[in-house]
Amino acid sequence: QQQVKQSPQSLIVQKGGISIINCAYENTAFDYFPWYQQFPGKGPALLIAIRPDVSEKKEGRFTISFNKSAKQFSLHIMDSQPGDSATYFCAASMGNTGKLIFGQGTTLQVKP
Amino acid sequence: DTEVTQTPKHLVMGMTNKKSLKCEQHMGHRAMYWYKQKAKKPPELMFVYSYEKLSINESVPSRFSPECPNSSLLNLHLHALQPEDSALYLCASTLQGAVSTEAFFGQGTRLTVV
Repeated sequence: QQQVKQSPQSLIVQKGGISIINCAYENTAFDYFPWYQQFPGKGPALLIAIRPDVSEKKEGRFTISFNKSAKQFSLHIMDSQPGDSATYFCAASMGNTGKLIFGQGTTLQVKP
Repeated sequence: DTEVTQTPKHLVMGMTNKKSLKCEQHMGHRAMYWYKQKAKKPPELMFVYSYEKLSINESVPSRFSPECPNSSLLNLHLHALQPEDSALYLCASTLQGAVSTEAFFGQGTRLTVV
């Protein structure tokens, strides 16, 4: 019940295309769903996050879609650029722990 | 200043050594975390300090010993590690104690145990 399942494991997209990464969770006590971007040898950096009372959140080229009833959320990267090539992790957190439970990660490669 | 600073960036230690990892933040955050990340895997939580008190220990072996001397500083003391402990050790912090909110991560310490 603590797991967050992420797919696909890897993704190749042409420059200018849309990258879509999906995550699913079981525990309805999760109340915060962030997406992190990680480059090799660096720490994860927060991209965008959403709470369950909102169905969609957009920040620049990045959009989270959230489906509470299906217990799924996804990251859409519009107009993908080679600089977006990185590993993306979805995560979930609950209440008063601050503990982040990460999905397994998606390695995104954007081809020029 | 929205940085979490970790030192050293790289560390190689023998199995009989004692070493420490250091993490600092000056954002006024009241919760700090240690995560361990193996290659091509997600970060896994080790410890949480909230308001300078240890609030979560994820059943981490005693060869890892955390310490929070003040609200800005977090240490991880290492002793008698095993080669399988080689990993990227990440520190993170959140503003309002250990609650579900934006976590800022440091760049990590790449630890190699030989």
